[in-house]
Amino acid sequence: QQPVQSPQAVILREGEDAVINCSSSKALYSVHWYRQKHGEAPVFLMILLKGGEQKGHEKISASFNEKKQQSSLYLTASQLSYSGTYFCGTWRIDRGSTLGRLYFGRGTQLTVWP
Amino acid sequence: DGGITQSPKYLFRKEGQNVTLSCEQNLNHDAMYWYRQDPGQGLRLIYYSQIVNDFQKGDIAEGYSVSREKKESFPLTVTSAQKNPTAFYLCASSTQGSHEQYFGPGTRLTVT
Repeated sequence: QQPVQSPQAVILREGEDAVINCSSSKALYSVHWYRQKHGEAPVFLMILLKGGEQKGHEKISASFNEKKQQSSLYLTASQLSYSGTYFCGTWRIDRGSTLGRLYFGRGTQLTVWP
Repeated sequence: DGGITQSPKYLFRKEGQNVTLSCEQNLNHDAMYWYRQDPGQGLRLIYYSQIVNDFQKGDIAEGYSVSREKKESFPLTVTSAQKNPTAFYLCASSTQGSHEQYFGPGTRLTVT
């Protein structure tokens, strides 16, 4: 049920681009992206809904391919502040439940060097 | 200011003791969640609740208990039955419509 993120870690120089992928074996209703700095709580970046909608946040954007059951997060012209662990979460309502919940991937650690 | 508060930030306990972690929100969110985070494991769901007096087990509920007597509060008790309780615990809340989750600052629990 847990989505699979790749790569596990990325090291970049400031100004470089990166792509983080998130794929699921289950049909997706929506995909959420969060960023967590070391020792802090995850912070919501964006949500993508069915329909291939692409959303953006600063120089970070994402796409959602419903057919392939995957989402990608694009970080362009990375800044030092982008360092952290990025998590994708897939929203589902499990069989037998009336409550929806997120399944989170294991995270991708992004390090940006000056 | 609206938000989620968790207390305490750091908590130390001896093995065999129950401990309760606090989570309060003033965002008027219906849904609340408890996650456990271990290095390299991502966020694993312990319990979640969408309305007062109702909650469901997540993926790793064994050794934990919760209550939801008020909309604003969702305390988590780590019982002595939890075999490896040392972890970072995060509480989150969301509205029913957007599902965007807002996280509290977390409680780092160390059991020795």
